[in-house]
Amino acid sequence: GESVGLHLPTLSVQEGDNSIINCAYSNSASDYFIWYKQESGKGPQFIIDIRSNMDKRQGQRVTVLLNKTVKHLSLQIAATQPGDSAVYFCAEKRTGANNLFFGTGTRLTVIP
Amino acid sequence: DGGITQSPKYLFRKEGQNVTLSCEQNLNHDAMYWYRQDPGQGLRLIYYSQIVNDFQKGDIAEGYSVSREKKESFPLTVTSAQKNPTAFYLCASSSGTGTNTEAFFGQGTRLTVV
Repeated sequence: GESVGLHLPTLSVQEGDNSIINCAYSNSASDYFIWYKQESGKGPQFIIDIRSNMDKRQGQRVTVLLNKTVKHLSLQIAATQPGDSAVYFCAEKRTGANNLFFGTGTRLTVIP
Repeated sequence: DGGITQSPKYLFRKEGQNVTLSCEQNLNHDAMYWYRQDPGQGLRLIYYSQIVNDFQKGDIAEGYSVSREKKESFPLTVTSAQKNPTAFYLCASSSGTGTNTEAFFGQGTRLTVV
């Protein structure tokens, strides 16, 4: 869900390790979820999406897991690279709503 | 190339002035959005538009105005009523209200009050 006025949580990982970024959502009517990556000074870029009728979806080095029971979404990045350092946002689209709701975001820092 | 373009990249405003941020898309998307991002924080929705000549307030619309006269364009005006306008402004578009409607973002406009 949306958090206003809160600073970003941070995650630091060693290069080559796997990263897991978590996101909790509050609305059980959400039917579509997206992960975005935002590099400094740039707009967010689409990484991967998942529909609510799925539990898992894999892309290139990324996997999104959806647990509807506890309203939790995670992004797993395999073999994290320095270029993965960025802020990662989850976004949800609620059934009947016309816009995406963004989470606060997590700043991922990859340590060489 | 298809995409969404914001201009200018950097904008400076004197206190008490109105400024307009441009957002243009050639993706043939029906929906367009404006978000505000403060340093170290997430995205907050200012306004959105699902169709030409229609728009809705988001969570922080006070001090802002928009228009949607053309499908391709969704300019945002930051008025003098916005007391703390210094921020990074992001425009986005999506294909509509279907389930799989990812939003595509522009590269942002950084507005600074001087």
